[in-house]
Parts: sequence; C-alpha cells; structure tokens
Amino acid sequence: GAVVSQHPSWVICKSGTSVKIECRSLDFQATTMFWYRQFPKQSLMLMATSNEGSKATYEQGVEKDKFLINHASLTLSTLTVTSAHPEDSSFYICSALRVGYYGYTFGSGTRLTVV
Amino acid sequence: AQTVTQSQPEMSVQEAETVTLSCTYDTSESDYYLFWYKQPPSRQMILVIRQEAYKQQNATENRFSVNFQKAAKSFSLKISDSQLGDAAMYFCAYRANSGNTPLVFGKGTRLSVIA
Repeated sequence: GAVVSQHPSWVICKSGTSVKIECRSLDFQATTMFWYRQFPKQSLMLMATSNEGSKATYEQGVEKDKFLINHASLTLSTLTVTSAHPEDSSFYICSALRVGYYGYTFGSGTRLTVV
Repeated sequence: AQTVTQSQPEMSVQEAETVTLSCTYDTSESDYYLFWYKQPPSRQMILVIRQEAYKQQNATENRFSVNFQKAAKSFSLKISDSQLGDAAMYFCAYRANSGNTPLVFGKGTRLSVIA
C-alpha cells in the first residue's frame, strides 16, 4: 500500500514551453503533498507544500509564477513548469503525507530536460 | 530552523563488513521523527529506517540499525553485512511532529560497496 504515482518519468521540452508533472496517490488520500527539486549529486530541496483545496506554500526563492502547483483533489497534485528554460532542467520529486501516519511516500521522480 | 548535517560526503565498505553513516541535527522541538532514506541510481527514495524521538530504544530493521543519541542530537545508521545492493546515496531526514511539516534532508552520503 501507500503508492504515489508520478508522471512522466522523463520529459524533454523546448525552451519557452510549459510542462506538467502529475503526482497521484493511488491507495490513500493525501491532504498534503510536497514538491522537491534535486540537482545531480545534491540533496532534495523543498520547493513547495501543496494542500488540497488551498494555495500552495512556496519556499523562499522559488518563483510562484514559474512553478504552478495545483492540488485540486485528495489524490492528485500537479506541478507545471511554465516557460521552461534550460536552467529549469532538473529532477523533480513529489512526496505525499498519508493522513494518520508520520511516514512519507515518494513518487519515482521526473527528469526534466529543457533544450 | 531545523538543520540536518551529514559530514561524510562519501563512504566505502567491503562487502560483508559493517559501516556507520553519521548524522547530526539541530532542533528546538522535543517531539519529532528521524529517518534514513536510500536513493539508488534509479533515484527512487526508499525508506530504510525511522525513529521516533520519544522512544529511547534504537530502531532496527534487519541489517540496518540506528544509534539515536537525543541529547547529542545524533542519529547514525549502521549497516551490517554490507551487500552490493546497499550501494546508494543515503539521506538523513528530520520531521517535527507538528502539523503537516515537510522532511528536512541532509546533503547525503554516497556509499560504495567493494566486492
């Protein structure tokens, strides 16, 4: 149990276009999801916290207008990278907090390459 | 703000031997959780072991055990009988037990296992 499905696994897009990444909890309700960014050989950096039905809370230095987060249901959160540029190329990972548990479940990550 | 420090960027161990990965953290909270995550080349985050701060007994999961020293704010991971499949990045993480708080990660330790 406690599976989080993240899609796509990898995506290549042209500079200036937008990319949407989906994170879906398959067998539990996730009132809160977290989005992380990871550069090669580095740790996970928290980008934002999304709560179902409300606006996401962004970490300092993360552009809200570039990284749009939507958490419209208890099982789905999306991250849209708008007007992507090569510097946005990175590995993005979502994590869901399962109600009643203190553990987190991670998606498998999305490798974004902007060319 | 809470911080997690992993002072060993890289470690290596001979197959079948034992290795200890270090982690220290800083918090003013009294109720929190600590975790060790493994990230293999696939980059999927895998929970290795977790510890509740209120428990004095050190957590153990098969070949993995921790040495939790609350007063010293230390949380080291011991891997016994190391296997080739243990080679990965290991992240120490902290979470306060207050609401839907995100994990705070250390910078990670890259573990190599030598056959």
